[in-house]
Order: sequence, then structure tokens, then C-alpha cells
Amino acid sequence: ELKVEQNPLFLSMQEGKNYTIYCNYSTTSDRLYWYRQDPGKSLESLFVLLSNGAVKQEGRLMASLDTKARLSTLHITAAVHDLSATYFCAVGFIVIQGAQKLVFGQGTRLTINP
Amino acid sequence: GAGVSQSPSNKVTEKGKDVELRCDPISGHTALYWYRQSLGQGLEFLIYFQGNSAPDKSGLPSDRFSAERTGGSVSTLTIQRTQQEDSAVYLCASSYLAGVRYNEQFFGPGTRLTVL
Repeated sequence: ELKVEQNPLFLSMQEGKNYTIYCNYSTTSDRLYWYRQDPGKSLESLFVLLSNGAVKQEGRLMASLDTKARLSTLHITAAVHDLSATYFCAVGFIVIQGAQKLVFGQGTRLTINP
Repeated sequence: GAGVSQSPSNKVTEKGKDVELRCDPISGHTALYWYRQSLGQGLEFLIYFQGNSAPDKSGLPSDRFSAERTGGSVSTLTIQRTQQEDSAVYLCASSYLAGVRYNEQFFGPGTRLTVL
């Protein structure tokens, strides 16, 4: 059974600090996605990582993928309050005819305090 | 451009009633997906459509759940004889099958279902 595990599940940090969220998965895949969810809102796509060693950066967020270790990280640099949200990683598995299903981690609820 | 839309945004129903949830994908997206987000189970995959076909229904929680898609566009998720454990946010997503962001799924705002 495929498992996707994130840690930590809850993270409270101060503005200006750096931190990393980890996403481990149990079965081989080269498709890893990061989403952001604000309270009461839907999922917003942040990063798509499609190969081993892939690194993507957007503002204060940087995501990487190590398919051999089955690990992805989401690094937050110099956090600001606007980054407070729940972050999900999801592993993609191709089903027939090219569509894929996403298996999500539990989510990391990030709170950034002034 | 328009994103994935879902209706209703909120639905409150009584136990035992049937409900229909609607999803309108991004124009041109051939793949459509349904997920459920609940406190106990997190985000779980339910079913996907390639065109109007749903090849694998094994992700649906029970035989009270069914889904269809017509004209390669709008999809309806139907829950019969709703139970309290069906209470959740039902999310729909759609995707292309090719392109720069291969298979990236774009999510709708969700339908929050509450079964009393």
C-alpha cells in the first residue's frame, strides 16, 4: 500500500526563520507535487517535480525531489506571515490512458508568527 | 481563464437522502478527478475520468457512490442514502494529458457536504 508521510504535521515558526517540511513516500514515483491550502479554500498548485534531482523555487519557497531516497522537501526561507497555510505533498501514479491519481500526505499546518 | 467550478459550494442534507455534486472542468481538459477531504481520512482519491469513461471505480468508498461524466465535460458525483460519515469536502480536479506541466491537476473550490 502506498504511503505518503509528511513531517512535521504542525509547525509554528517566527517570521524571518528558515525551516523545511519533509515528504517521504513508500513506492517508486517520479512525480511529486506540492500544494498550498488556505482555510476554507481549495488546493493551489505550488510546484511540480518530475525527475530525480529536480529543484524548483518560487519566492521564499524551494522544493526538491530525490527519487532514490523517495523524499521531497519544501524549504521556507525567511518566513513571512503570508506563508501561513497548510501544505500538502502528493505523489502521482499513472493510471491507464495517461491519467494519474494523486496520493496525498497528511498535510503540514504552518503558522508563522510576527 | 475560467478554472474548475463546482456546485453547490455547500450542501446540508439529512441522513438517508440522495445528493448530487457537480463539477465543471477547465475547458479542454480531458481528465477529471474526484477527491474527498475529511478530518479522519485526509485527502483521498475517489475516481477519475478519461473522457466519459471511468475505468476504475475501486476508490469509491461504497456502492452508494457513483459518478458519471457526459460530453467529455461536466461530471456528477452522486451519493445515495447519505450517511453521517459521508460528511466531507468533495474536490474535483482536471488536467491535460500532455504539455509543459504534464498531468498537473487543477482543483476546484470544493463542495462541503454535511449530513445531519
